[in-house]
Amino acid sequence: DQQVKQNSPSLSVQEGRISILNCDYTNSMFDYFLWYKKYPAEGPTFLISISSIKDKNEDGRFTVFLNKSAKHLSLHIVPSQPGDSAVYFCCQTGANSKLTFGKGITLSVRP
Amino acid sequence: DAMVIQNPRYQVTQFGKPVTLSCSQTLNHNVMYWYQQKSSQAPKLLFHYYDKDFNNEADTPDNFQSRRPNTSFCFLDIRSPGLGDAAMYLCATSRGGRYEQYFGPGTRLTVT
Repeated sequence: DQQVKQNSPSLSVQEGRISILNCDYTNSMFDYFLWYKKYPAEGPTFLISISSIKDKNEDGRFTVFLNKSAKHLSLHIVPSQPGDSAVYFCCQTGANSKLTFGKGITLSVRP
Repeated sequence: DAMVIQNPRYQVTQFGKPVTLSCSQTLNHNVMYWYQQKSSQAPKLLFHYYDKDFNNEADTPDNFQSRRPNTSFCFLDIRSPGLGDAAMYLCATSRGGRYEQYFGPGTRLTVT
């Protein structure tokens, strides 16, 4: 039973437009969420995170929104750039520091 | 640059032939993790070391073992690989108490 769900396997957007990557979770006990980005032939790299005491965290072009009542978070990338094309993983963790990954979503940014 | 290194990047082994994957890190992190990622699936934690303490996930098969001889190195041993063990194996590190993990590039294991 998947605890972190990324229901869309892929997303294609035009360069300069907004990319919105969605993630749902089932277990409210774990209170910290992270997004990782993965290029082919490389390991995942940390992108941005959010604690459950916040509903928004922003870092440059990347913003993560957390809706605890809906158990939903989203990653916004604006403006999207071709170099953002990668697989994005939504992860959940808590006091035990173990990461639970979603399956990932492949983002393609068209020039 | 501080980093997590995995060797080899690609490993081919025969069915039932033991294989060892290695991971080293220059970050001086005290926690090291091994994940298995099969095609189109989420990475799945196999086990982790918090300092010298080994923590096995409940559903990790007995076929998988790990060793951490020192802070910098961690090994994944697969005693009798089956075809179902073909996957990408990711090593990660973190500083205890911090949530962010740092990943190596992975070793892709093929079982023939």
